[in-house]
Amino acid sequence: DAGVIQSPRHEVTEMGQEVTLRCKPISGHDYLFWYRQTMMRGLELLIYFNNNVPIDDSGMPEDRFSAKMPNASFSTLKIQPSEPRDSAVYFCASTVAGFIAKNIQYFGAGTRLSVL
Amino acid sequence: AQTVTQSQPEMSVQEAETVTLSCTYDTSESNYYLFWYKQPPSRQMILVIRQEAYKQQNATENRFSVNFQKAAKSFSLKISDSQLGDTAMYFCAFMKKPSGAGSYQLTFGKGTKLSVIP
Repeated sequence: DAGVIQSPRHEVTEMGQEVTLRCKPISGHDYLFWYRQTMMRGLELLIYFNNNVPIDDSGMPEDRFSAKMPNASFSTLKIQPSEPRDSAVYFCASTVAGFIAKNIQYFGAGTRLSVL
Repeated sequence: AQTVTQSQPEMSVQEAETVTLSCTYDTSESNYYLFWYKQPPSRQMILVIRQEAYKQQNATENRFSVNFQKAAKSFSLKISDSQLGDTAMYFCAFMKKPSGAGSYQLTFGKGTKLSVIP
């Protein structure tokens, strides 16, 4: 399996623009997580899905952020409008419930977002 | 809520030597999992080792081992025979035992930057 795939790897945009980050989880995984990593706050969970349904979005910073999972193999994190303070690395991770996965989350390579 | 503390922002070790990274956590849960993840300059988050709280035996993975002290809520990572490729940020993480449809959430520490010196 190719692992968790995120795109783009880098994104540079101007303040006020819409940004869409994409994630393809590992095939067969039923949990998908979005994290944000900054120097100040470290790694924070933004939202997670189970079977394509959002379970907990309490980490989403504000209404400018939204996430969707239209099917088991694709999720998006959208920021509209973007602001300089949104600059961070955004990670997607996935796992599968049950003994086999040993509760291990597998991470994508991340998207480095720079908002100018 | 759970908290994870890594008290060493940066550490360095000579190649081939042994180094121990510290992690403490705070929780009222009795069943949980602890993890160490490595983040090299490539930015990829890579699982290093995993420990189940109900197991007294410390986990080991080749040159990596942990010292899990449940009563003290301590979970340190020991790297033996350090190699240049071990240079990375290391994150300690906590997950309470999932139940039903909920919560595979990871709570991370702030990380320790490890440099292996030739």
